[in-house]
Amino acid sequence: DAGVIQSPRHEVTEMGQEVTLRCKPISGHNSLFWYRQTMMRGLELLIYFNNNVPIDDSGMPEDRFSAKMPNASFSTLKIQPSEPRDSAVYFCASSPRNAASGNTIYFGEGSWLTVV
Amino acid sequence: AQSVTQPDIHITVSEGASLELRCNYSYGATPYLFWYVQSPGQGLQLLLKYFSGDTLVQGIKGFEAEFKRSQSSFNLRKPSVHWSDAAEYFCAVGTSGGSYIPTFGRGTSLIVHP
Repeated sequence: DAGVIQSPRHEVTEMGQEVTLRCKPISGHNSLFWYRQTMMRGLELLIYFNNNVPIDDSGMPEDRFSAKMPNASFSTLKIQPSEPRDSAVYFCASSPRNAASGNTIYFGEGSWLTVV
Repeated sequence: AQSVTQPDIHITVSEGASLELRCNYSYGATPYLFWYVQSPGQGLQLLLKYFSGDTLVQGIKGFEAEFKRSQSSFNLRKPSVHWSDAAEYFCAVGTSGGSYIPTFGRGTSLIVHP
């Protein structure tokens, strides 16, 4: 089975540019998560969706960040305008959200963003 | 709300030695417990999980973990470490109700000496 697929894997962009990260969750999973990982702050939950609906976006750092999930198989995380402090690894993850799986979360390989 | 603590930021072991990574959680009911591994440049891979049944859980890559309710712990063990086990290890605790989203520890970095 295909896992969570993220693109791009690596991106280097200039400050002020728009960045769009993409994610395809595991088929049949009804929850999707966006995480950010940095050395200083570790793994942070930015936002999560349940059945394509954003449930909690309290982790989104500021208005420059936005996330959408137009359908069950696709989500985007957008940063506009980007700043050097946004440099991090961004993970998308999905979960079937059921008791049988223990609500297990499965991660993608990450998008490694560098803003210069 | 649940919380999880990984007391060791770094652990260094020799190849072939045994390994135990500590994880302590706080949650009022029976938790869902997970261990993930992150190799350099990679995403987090699920090693094993516990949410019911036998408290000793077997995972991939020869790892196991034991849920001890009395100690609120879920320590990860491996009898003989290989150099390829060098990675970051994350413990996470989830719940069956509420927000259900697992809370992750800060991670333990495993260094393996030849």
